[in-house]
Amino acid sequence: DAGITQSPRHKVTETGTPVTLRCHQTENHRYMYWYRQDPGHGLRLIHYSYGVKDTDKGEVSDGYSVSRSKTEDFLLTLESATSSQTSVYFCAISGQERYEQYFGPGTRLTVT
Amino acid sequence: QKEVEQNSGPLSVPEGAIASLNCTYSDRGSQSFFWYRQYSGKSPELIMSIYSNGDKEDGRFTAQLNKASQYVSLLIRDSQPSDSATYLCAVNPPGTYKYIFGTGTRLKVLA
Repeated sequence: DAGITQSPRHKVTETGTPVTLRCHQTENHRYMYWYRQDPGHGLRLIHYSYGVKDTDKGEVSDGYSVSRSKTEDFLLTLESATSSQTSVYFCAISGQERYEQYFGPGTRLTVT
Repeated sequence: QKEVEQNSGPLSVPEGAIASLNCTYSDRGSQSFFWYRQYSGKSPELIMSIYSNGDKEDGRFTAQLNKASQYVSLLIRDSQPSDSATYLCAVNPPGTYKYIFGTGTRLKVLA
């Protein structure tokens, strides 16, 4: 299995609070991605990174920010969580060639 | 039109049969295609990647790609109850390192 961990694995938070999810990889892969998965919508890209300090928006980036200060860590922040951000969040990584993506175990976030 | 389309299913097949899962995509310039399996409550797991027209076999799995018709399919031979899962198709549009995912097809293999 690709060396990808996500923390926390489960989180319940209140509307309006900030939340940070962490993705950590041990594969030294260049590309990292954050997705959310919701029933009926499948996997949707939030943000992605193509190198340290290099990030870009995906299709559902509103309300989310990211940071990547080290190759191995990619952080996703919800500045002020809303109930619509209740979802399962997956991190993925891919290498330089072929762009095959490998997924972390996911974080289940509930915003009450 | 969605960029990557899959029939949501469920697709039910008897144990030992061939399961055929289909995916169509809209960006004709796409070059890389992937199939993921996702068990309920788990993360997606890459099972096949295909980059050239034709068939690619790996064990009981065969991926088929037809760029002219813009579809990619996954065949699972000798289906087992353990193959029951949602299968996600992903396409890598040209000039990007992003994927576009379909919403997945739920497969049920009946014992």
